[in-house]
Amino acid sequence: DIQMTQSPSSLSASVGDRVTITCRASQSIRSYLNWYQQKPGKAPKLLIYAASSLQSGVPSRFSGSGSGTDFTLTISSLQPEDFATYYCQQSYSSPLYTFGQGTKLEIK
Amino acid sequence: EVQLVESGGGLVKPGGSLRLSCAASGFSFSSYDMNWVRQAPGKGLEWVSSITSGGSYIYDADSVKGRFTISRDNAKNSLYLQMNSLRDEDTAVYYCARALYTSGFPGRFDYWGQGTLVTVSS
Repeated sequence: DIQMTQSPSSLSASVGDRVTITCRASQSIRSYLNWYQQKPGKAPKLLIYAASSLQSGVPSRFSGSGSGTDFTLTISSLQPEDFATYYCQQSYSSPLYTFGQGTKLEIK
Repeated sequence: EVQLVESGGGLVKPGGSLRLSCAASGFSFSSYDMNWVRQAPGKGLEWVSSITSGGSYIYDADSVKGRFTISRDNAKNSLYLQMNSLRDEDTAVYYCARALYTSGFPGRFDYWGQGTLVTVSS
């Protein structure tokens, strides 16, 4: 099974900061990596797919990069609505999917 | 507008059964693979089951294999999850999610329902 590990598990930042979240796969998953944002009490929302493709309607301050085993989600300038929990998901072994454990982004 | 609406959650005793439903609208349901994803209270996301667009192939996480069964009725635009032999650790919000595949990329979950809470407790 492919394991996904995110770091950090939590992160404090301020509005306007540049933030990077990392996701590591236990084996190469090429670019088959998606990122989701989840706010409390809400369903997850797709942000990035195929490691670096921005989902329609998602602000351009979100970006993704990486391939193989190491991936990053970057928010270039944090906005108040970006404080949420972020999850990576591998689809290399689709339709057997795995999520990372999540990164909670909190206001400093 | 794409909509996915789950129902059927509730309180059930350990060892009991429950059937979740997900009503789809706003898209050609029979053209898409569908999934169930769950989230235990205060925990992360866990993929549970997948079913292909025509219903011919199903895939389950090891944690639910042999206990949960995913199914669909394309005529009714509905997805189901039959959950048997429920355990305390199955307590979670259960989401249905549509899988979108595009050329060269295996899949991502582009639409999700609002979730339905299943509580397993004596």
